[in-house]
Amino acid sequence: DQQVKQNSPSLSVQEGRISILNCDYTNSMFDYFLWYKKYPAEGPTFLISISSIKDKNEDGRFTVFLNKSAKHLSLHIVPSQPGDSAVYFCAASAGSGGYQKVTFGIGTKLQVIP
Amino acid sequence: EADIYQTPRYLVIGTGKKITLECSQTMGHDKMYWYQQDPGMELHLIHYSYGVNSTEKGDLSSESTVSRIRTEHFPLTLESARPSHTSQYLCASREGWNQPQHFGDGTRLSIL
Repeated sequence: DQQVKQNSPSLSVQEGRISILNCDYTNSMFDYFLWYKKYPAEGPTFLISISSIKDKNEDGRFTVFLNKSAKHLSLHIVPSQPGDSAVYFCAASAGSGGYQKVTFGIGTKLQVIP
Repeated sequence: EADIYQTPRYLVIGTGKKITLECSQTMGHDKMYWYQQDPGMELHLIHYSYGVNSTEKGDLSSESTVSRIRTEHFPLTLESARPSHTSQYLCASREGWNQPQHFGDGTRLSIL
């Protein structure tokens, strides 16, 4: 039972255009959401996060949007660059103290075409 | 850049061998994690630690064991490797709750 779902296994975008990666979750207790980027033969690298008290967080070319009512998260990359080509993982966690579990999606492979 | 290191990066070894995958971080993080990931699948937590002498099993059943004798070191051991253990193993650490995890580059393990 996947609690964090990334339904698009891959996405191709032209350089300079917007990339939109989507993520849906089922657990209403999730209150902290993250996006990681992963290049081949490397570990995931943290990209951006958002708390459930916000609906938008921006960092340079990267913006994460959170729609709690729809249990939907998206990552926007504008403008997309060839170096953004990687696998993007959505992750979510619930609670604080004790054990705060982080649940990951299966990833979306983004290809930015020059 | 995060300072968390995993060795070896790749390991091909025969069935029945004892294996230790190393993970070290220089950030002083108390919280450390081991994940297992197969191609096209999500990361599954197999072990975690809140600090020295603290270890817990994660969600995915694993025949591996871990130890945490020093803050910076969190090795994972397979006493007798089997082909079913073939996978990628990722180590991570983080400073606190609602903080991102920093990952090592992983160990890709193949058991023949």
